[in-house]
Amino acid sequence: DAKTTQPNSMESNEEEPVHLPCNHSTISGTDYIHWYRQLPSQGPEYVIHGLTSNVNNRMASLAIAEDRKSSTLILHRATLRDAAVYYCILRDVRQGGKLIFGQGTELSVKP
Amino acid sequence: DTGVSQDPRHKITKRGQNVTFRCDPISEHNRLYWYRQTLGQGPEFLTYFQNEAQLEKSRLLSDRFSAERPKGSFSTLEIQRTEQGDSAMYLCASSPGDSFQETQYFGPGTRLLVL
Repeated sequence: DAKTTQPNSMESNEEEPVHLPCNHSTISGTDYIHWYRQLPSQGPEYVIHGLTSNVNNRMASLAIAEDRKSSTLILHRATLRDAAVYYCILRDVRQGGKLIFGQGTELSVKP
Repeated sequence: DTGVSQDPRHKITKRGQNVTFRCDPISEHNRLYWYRQTLGQGPEFLTYFQNEAQLEKSRLLSDRFSAERPKGSFSTLEIQRTEQGDSAMYLCASSPGDSFQETQYFGPGTRLLVL
């Protein structure tokens, strides 16, 4: 399985942008990059995903490096409710639909 | 659409007892997944169903674990002869079944404590 590397933890101030990095140097051509987050005492929830091009949705933006060996999840204005563990996941269509989670990045947001 | 529900939310049992958890997916979602999460770790895949067929099982799913989805709707996960190492959060997720890149929707989980 392709591996991802994320910092264990990051801090942010409320209403400031947050850039959460993910390295995936062994990514294959069929791997999509997915991000999920898990708020305290809840199940994970989908944030965003992409293959090659940068992606935007109402929650976040995903910036993918040209060589696809790294990506960055961008929260444009962090709120206290964004405090969560963020997981960067590579999904290979050949492996079926399962998600392979790593340790993730625990984001704390200070008021 | 009420989302994925799981029952019970918490379960405390003694070592050696059997426990059963239930997951109700989002209506008309064909795929259903079970994951296990221990403290401080990301969720680990256990098994998944396409309708009533169990298509993949992780090596984590020992012979004490069994999962069913008899009518392609709700699913149950049973653990026989529980051990302290089974203490974890058990998460269920569902997805429509149209694409393997589709979003999985997770339930709140069942937290199991084995004494």
